[in-house]
Formats: sequence, structure tokens, C-alpha cells
Amino acid sequence: AQSVTQLGSHVSVSEGALVLLRCNYSSSVPPYLFWYVQYPNQGLQLLLKYTTGATLVKGINGFEAEFKKSETSFHLTKPSAHMSDAAEYFCAVSGGGGFKTIFGAGTRLFVKA
Amino acid sequence: DTAVSQTPKYLVTQMGNDKSIKCEQNLGHDTMYWYKQDSKKFLKIMFSYNNKELIINETVPNRFSPKSPDKAHLNLHINSLELGDSAVYFCASSPLLATGQDEAFFGQGTRLTVV
Repeated sequence: AQSVTQLGSHVSVSEGALVLLRCNYSSSVPPYLFWYVQYPNQGLQLLLKYTTGATLVKGINGFEAEFKKSETSFHLTKPSAHMSDAAEYFCAVSGGGGFKTIFGAGTRLFVKA
Repeated sequence: DTAVSQTPKYLVTQMGNDKSIKCEQNLGHDTMYWYKQDSKKFLKIMFSYNNKELIINETVPNRFSPKSPDKAHLNLHINSLELGDSAVYFCASSPLLATGQDEAFFGQGTRLTVV
């Protein structure tokens, strides 16, 4: 079975500050890991994903995430927050039996001017 | 040119009614999904179809019936709507199902409100 835990349902940062959104996963098989972003009244769109290979993954809009197997983590970071980054962020895992992608509960990112 | 499109975007209806949500994807993907997002933003898969065949059927009331006339379309019909069905329903598609390493492409969502 697989699961995803996102630490912190809400994160608030100042514009220009570091963004760190935390995600821990549980998987009995090598996981595929994803970060999606959801802007208000829109569907989810992919920010980045890890399948195999390089553990530091770069995505769109300056985001990146690092797969750490020993810590079962896949935290999302961005060096400098922009107002336009305010959105809901979802971590997800797949790769186990049943062919399902499991989503975390989401983290709402607020960016203060 | 919208990749995954759902209609309608908003749906307000009374308890007990029957309604349908339509979804179409023009990405040539083999797999399509329906997800339900509740008021706390929690996203849960309901159904998945691969080349018109039902692959995933989560514990969903049988008032919900998906239908895939072809691999580019996946519709969701809901009978006898209840207050608890109020949510945002997302259609999504992805290239392949089996490996799990392909991301999903989501529609804009249908906000269903049952009054």
C-alpha cells in the first residue's frame, strides 16, 4: 500500500523568501513521485516528477524537489517566492499495485507582499 | 486548444435529480479518470478507464455510473443526487496506466452543488 503525508495544511511566506513544502511517502515498491499545483478554480497541473535517475528534479516556475529514499521524503522548494505562487500544492505517489496515484491532502501556500 | 475539457463547469441541482458530467481529451491518451475533490481539497480517485475498459472502481455509491463511449471520452452520470455529493469533480487523462510513472492531465473541474 502507498500513502502520502504533507506536513502543514497551510504555509505562509513573504515574497522573495524560500518556499519549502514537505512531503513524506510510504511505499512498498520503488515510488514514482509527483508535485502538482492547483490555482483557484482550476484543475491540477504538474510541477515536476521523479521516476528514476537523478534525485534532484527541476520543474516549472523555478520549483525543484529532491527524492531522499532514506528519509522517504520528496520536499518541494523554491528559492524565492512570488505572489503568483500562491496556490494549493499536492504531493502524489504511484508505482505500486493497483495502478493508482495517491494524493496527499494538499498544502495551501500563501505569499505575503 | 483545451487538452482535457469538462462540461459543465458549474452545476447546481436539487436533491433527487439525475445529472451528467461530460469529459473529452484530445491528447490521444489511453487512460482517463474521474476524481472527487471535497471541500477540504482532498482528492480521491473514483474511476479509471483504459481504452474504454473500467480498470479502477473505488468504493463509490452505485448511483455513480461512468461511461466511456471511446477512449477520448469519459462521462459521469449521477442518479438520485444527495447533499453529500456536492464537490468538485475532475476528469483527467494520462498516456499509460500500467507503469504509474506518467502524470495526469486534469480538466478544469465541475463544481457540483446539490441543494
